Amino acid sequence: GQQLNQSPQSMFIQEGEDVSMNCTSSSIFNTWLWYKQDPGEGPVLLIALYKAGELTSNGRLTAQFGITRKDSFLNISASIPSDVGIYFCAGQLDTGANSKLTFGKGITLSVRP
Amino acid sequence: NAGVMQNPRHLVRRRGQEARLRCSPMKGHSHVYWYRQLPEEGLKFMVYLQKENIIDESGMPKERFSAEFPKEGPSILRIQQVVRGDSAAYFCASSPKGFYGYTFGSGTRLTVV
Repeated sequence: GQQLNQSPQSMFIQEGEDVSMNCTSSSIFNTWLWYKQDPGEGPVLLIALYKAGELTSNGRLTAQFGITRKDSFLNISASIPSDVGIYFCAGQLDTGANSKLTFGKGITLSVRP
Repeated sequence: NAGVMQNPRHLVRRRGQEARLRCSPMKGHSHVYWYRQLPEEGLKFMVYLQKENIIDESGMPKERFSAEFPKEGPSILRIQQVVRGDSAAYFCASSPKGFYGYTFGSGTRLTVV
């Protein structure tokens, strides 16, 4: 089945630094999404990308949908302590909405004050 | 404006018992999804339902697991004769029709002892 690869498993940065996370797949996805999960909670949608090459921002977050439709990246600029959490990429294969998502294993981000 | 409500938050069952997990979608959302998350793993799709219909159950184990979303009331994920390997966090999500990326609940943490 489809698999999304996220590495490394953990990242440690200093408060104020920028950080970039990558997500790759051997298969094409038609929609890419980035979620953040805090301990004991469900994932929260950060950014959704719908077209190859699309670059979208949400505050200090920027994400891009790769041209090949097999990858996406998420940038967080000027990190703050509340950015700590697990960041998941997710892909949606079906072109219609309301279909299943395939998730990566996530990257745990730690921010040192 | 309540989000996706899942209960219970924590559930402990002995091997062989039944587990019932409930999910009330956000108001106005007619599509419900169930995902399972093992420790340090991403979320794995289980089933997608609309009112009174199972749309996609390609991620559901063939035995012991069932899901429903009745005309009235919450969606239920039912696990019969639980085993230790069923211990995981189970997340429900909902979305309106035609929307990419859904809203997750806070999950039910099932522990089988």
